[in-house]
Amino acid sequence: DSGVTQTPKHLITATGQRVTLRCSPRSGDLSVYWYQQSLDQGLQFLIQYYNGEERAKGNILERFSAQQFPDLHSELNLSSLELGDSALYFCASSVGPTAPLHFGNGTRLTVT
Amino acid sequence: DAKTTQPPSMDCAEGRAANLPCNHSTISGNEYVYWYRQIHSQGPQYIIHGLKNNETNEMASLIITEDRKSSTLILPHATLRDTAVYYCIVRVNVRDDKIIFGKGTRLHILP
Repeated sequence: DSGVTQTPKHLITATGQRVTLRCSPRSGDLSVYWYQQSLDQGLQFLIQYYNGEERAKGNILERFSAQQFPDLHSELNLSSLELGDSALYFCASSVGPTAPLHFGNGTRLTVT
Repeated sequence: DAKTTQPPSMDCAEGRAANLPCNHSTISGNEYVYWYRQIHSQGPQYIIHGLKNNETNEMASLIITEDRKSSTLILPHATLRDTAVYYCIVRVNVRDDKIIFGKGTRLHILP
């Protein structure tokens, strides 16, 4: 158990809808990272937050947004969903810039 | 883009040492080498990291060449549970931390 909690584990929704994925980092971890992994694809970096501030951005679509709250949990919002957004979404956390990432077990999103 | 190159797949006999290579010829002096693995569709798991010295922990050993342009992850006694995709990444340890994963090496442990 990495200590990173992601909810929900599975999500099935229709095209055009909006969903929110939630991540609770390990206790004491200030950084949160979001990744997308489509079928048989690698991990695509989306965005990183550090202590509530956005720090780094990857190839995150404009339809996607994220935030990190004062209690350090993070949410990834996906809107106007398309079939191609079906993927595993992983959250990871770390205590700081020199520390390894610890990943949650992901949210599997299926868009129908 | 990922700054590392790994073979797409490798086989290793159970009980033998698995040696996974990684090329990072453009690595900068302040970039660390990290290894993670992903078993099936689980969240990736941290294995080990290093800057220039060789490192060992309870899971694996990391050998970094003197010029730091390549490294090798060694699983000393591979078991079937080590079947996974192994990712080698380089990372500058700063707060704005865009950590890019490549395609990794799919390691098959053969019984």
